[in-house]
Amino acid sequence: GAGVSQSPRYKVAKRGQDVALRCDPISGHVSLFWYQQALGQGPEFLTYFQNEAQLDKSGLPSDRFFAERPEGSVSTLKIQRTQQEDSAVYLCASSFLTGDYEQYFGPGTRLTVT
Amino acid sequence: GIQVEQSPPDLILQEGANSTLRCNFSDSVNNLQWFHQNPWGQLINLFYIPSGTKQNGRLSATTVATERYSLLYISSSQTTDSGVYFCAVVDDMRFGAGTRLTVKP
Repeated sequence: GAGVSQSPRYKVAKRGQDVALRCDPISGHVSLFWYQQALGQGPEFLTYFQNEAQLDKSGLPSDRFFAERPEGSVSTLKIQRTQQEDSAVYLCASSFLTGDYEQYFGPGTRLTVT
Repeated sequence: GIQVEQSPPDLILQEGANSTLRCNFSDSVNNLQWFHQNPWGQLINLFYIPSGTKQNGRLSATTVATERYSLLYISSSQTTDSGVYFCAVVDDMRFGAGTRLTVKP
């Protein structure tokens, strides 16, 4: 596709449920990023992939958060045993590895945990 | 890690006015971007500007890396410019808190 796509766009989960959020990066983009954006704040870095390798996961808030990109393209962010503080917009971005590092963002997934 | 500060936090303008948004960063950077987050939450790339000056229509940006700041200029503002403007230090994957711009007709 022409841009980064994410699905679902909205997700409501009951506390304790597991959720999986999908990101399709721009074709040919090697780098993929996940961010979490709480209401009224700037995006906060969660994790970064280069192809299938997860090079940085320092931003993941707890071991309930897990991300994968097994074939170096589509990525999934999984949150286990969701809690109310997980409610946020989850943003995915992709970029080329070399040259300029401009990041392109998807529309986000708004997660509400009730 | 690097600190990114944006000012002002909020800005209200009448349509047609000009404005300057500022982004300060605490250490040297190699890659900096400006984004506009529209009311639907989409982050739209405005400029990738590690240094120098770029212009795109009514918008322009300048980064002075040696002095650790970047400026975003909006001229002849329109109501569609409303939203939140973020600068991001791409090297560190770190965003500022944003400037919320409201342009009134």
